[in-house]
Amino acid sequence: SQTIHQWPATLVQPVGSPLSLECTVEGTSNPNLYWYRQAAGRGLQLLFYSVGIGQISSEVPQNLSASRPQDRQFILSSKKLLLSDSGFYLCAWSWVSVGNTIYFGEGSWLTVV
Amino acid sequence: RKEVEQDPGPFNVPEGATVAFNCTYSNSASQSFFWYRQDCRKEPKLLMSVYSSGNEDGRFTAQLNRASQYISLLIRDSKLSDSATYLCAVTSSNNAGNMLTFGGGTRLMVKP
Repeated sequence: SQTIHQWPATLVQPVGSPLSLECTVEGTSNPNLYWYRQAAGRGLQLLFYSVGIGQISSEVPQNLSASRPQDRQFILSSKKLLLSDSGFYLCAWSWVSVGNTIYFGEGSWLTVV
Repeated sequence: RKEVEQDPGPFNVPEGATVAFNCTYSNSASQSFFWYRQDCRKEPKLLMSVYSSGNEDGRFTAQLNRASQYISLLIRDSKLSDSATYLCAVTSSNNAGNMLTFGGGTRLMVKP
């Protein structure tokens, strides 16, 4: 079966500090990978998606970036965090075919202070 | 207009009640539809897919109305454990892959 792991689960970071969130998927190959953000009391916003190693598409311009160094690894980064970056970050995966369900990791709670 | 819209609620219902949520979508080319459940401070988890002919899973029934561009979720005999936020999601194909757009969620609170 397929599993998705995401870490760290929670973190508190000062404004201007860097960020790195990691996500790995097991039990499948060449998945589509996604990063979503959910701000407090708001819906899920797609930040980045990837259809293959080194292929990243950004949905929302911001001070965040994503990378996919390996087939089943997806990393979300920032060089300098802003207060507005606080939120619940969710990594997700799906099979490649259109219409397939997206499955989420357990999420990372980020508080920028 | 948002691409996928839901009434945020909360819907406060007694145990045993029947409750229904709707979710409207703006893209007539949308292909796949889902309902997710999200508990407080947890990740969304797939509740059920929504098929053109409608589908049922125990106390849960999902339906799709393409003409009016909405999907619905009906919960019968509500349980305390059904209290959660219910997110609808719509997939539209693009050149790159399987893009899932979420509604803002509807919060359900089932009371004893």
